[in-house]
Amino acid sequence: ETGVTQSPTHLIKTRGQQVTLRCSSQSGHNTVSWYQQALGQGPQFIFQYYREEENGRGNFPPRFSGLQFPNYSSELNVNALELDDSALYLCASSVQGANEKLFFGSGTQLSVL
Amino acid sequence: GESVGLHLPTLSVQEGDNSIINCAYSNSASDYFIWYKQESGKGPQFIIDIRSNMDKRQGQRVTVLLNKTVKHLSLQIAATQPGDSAVYFCAENYNNAGNMLTFGGGTRLMVKP
Repeated sequence: ETGVTQSPTHLIKTRGQQVTLRCSSQSGHNTVSWYQQALGQGPQFIFQYYREEENGRGNFPPRFSGLQFPNYSSELNVNALELDDSALYLCASSVQGANEKLFFGSGTQLSVL
Repeated sequence: GESVGLHLPTLSVQEGDNSIINCAYSNSASDYFIWYKQESGKGPQFIIDIRSNMDKRQGQRVTVLLNKTVKHLSLQIAATQPGDSAVYFCAENYNNAGNMLTFGGGTRLMVKP
């Protein structure tokens, strides 16, 4: 176990709705990254948070947003859900710096109907 | 749990044999590489990493080889066990400002008893 916890584990939403996913980072880690993993594919980088600010973003639209809290936990928010948003959403925590290992949680499986 | 990698390339090996999983990475500027193992219903689990100033690194039963000339990475697993059955992803980092990994498409390893 990595010590990274995500909630909920599974979620079903309908198109157009909004969703909030949560992540608690491993003790001692100050950076949280979010990844989207579609079925049969590798994880795709969404964004990273460090010191409560976005610290890098992948190729995702603005309706994907996030927060990091003083205790380093994080939220991923997705507005105006689309069917293609159905995926496993993974949170990873790490220590800020070059080439630091990422430790992943088990993810939240989001289904958009 | 969620089934990851329904349409991934598959490597099938006999228990006790050695396994070699290959990966072609995309960016010649990448300077850090990681192999992750992902079991069904779980997040990616760190296996081994290598920096671009090395061409080989060994861990417990695993070896990673890096060929920067052809942008190729491989993971060798010695004496493969049924517990090694999973989907394996290589990931690269070409942004020293943070830990923003780019994942490959993954390979499913199936170990026959």
